[in-house]
Amino acid sequence: GQNIDQPTEMTATEGAIVQINCTYQTSGFNGLFWYQQHAGEAPTFLSYNVLDGLEEKGRFSSFLSRSKGYSYLLLKELQMKDSASYLCAVRDKGETDSWGKLQFGAGTQVVVTP
Amino acid sequence: NAGVTQTPKFRILKIGQSMTLQCAQDMNHNYMYWYRQDPGMGLKLIYYSVGAGITDKGEVPNGYNVSRSTTEDFPLRLELAAPSQTSVYFCASSYSSTAPEQFFGPGTRLTVL
Repeated sequence: GQNIDQPTEMTATEGAIVQINCTYQTSGFNGLFWYQQHAGEAPTFLSYNVLDGLEEKGRFSSFLSRSKGYSYLLLKELQMKDSASYLCAVRDKGETDSWGKLQFGAGTQVVVTP
Repeated sequence: NAGVTQTPKFRILKIGQSMTLQCAQDMNHNYMYWYRQDPGMGLKLIYYSVGAGITDKGEVPNGYNVSRSTTEDFPLRLELAAPSQTSVYFCASSYSSTAPEQFFGPGTRLTVL
């Protein structure tokens, strides 16, 4: 199984940058995911990393280091609408190494202030 | 496409009652999942299915049952509801093992009193 840790809450001002860290321990790694969840809504997919390095997608970037069991989600040019919970999730290797289940962290609540 | 739909949106049950949470997707996805999310927590996998007729337990399956008779539908059954099952339930689907994204339904908020 996995053990996934991320900070409970972060606060930043509009226009700033915030970095949300996620550390994990897993017996078999097959991908790391970031989801965004606004209060009272369903999670929506943001990014996926399976190899080391940085994936950039507009204002959001995600980084992975498999050797360190570490990922971060970088949110640039923060907007008020970015206030949400950000969930880090790790997929393990299934029995056939082809697919595994997702395990989610508890989420980081990002509060963007004017 | 409607995506992933769930019914009902809200439900209050008495202890010991039973109910079925409905989930359907129209994206022809093979993989479907049921999660529960308690306040301030991440999602916990209850059951999942890799195709019609195939289901398996997730992290927290006790007190729940599922079936997958068609590709589209994946109902979750609660037998003998308990207060510990008060939670928000999300159904999700994905196309395959190589498609990373899971698409979530809007959720069902269940309270057991």
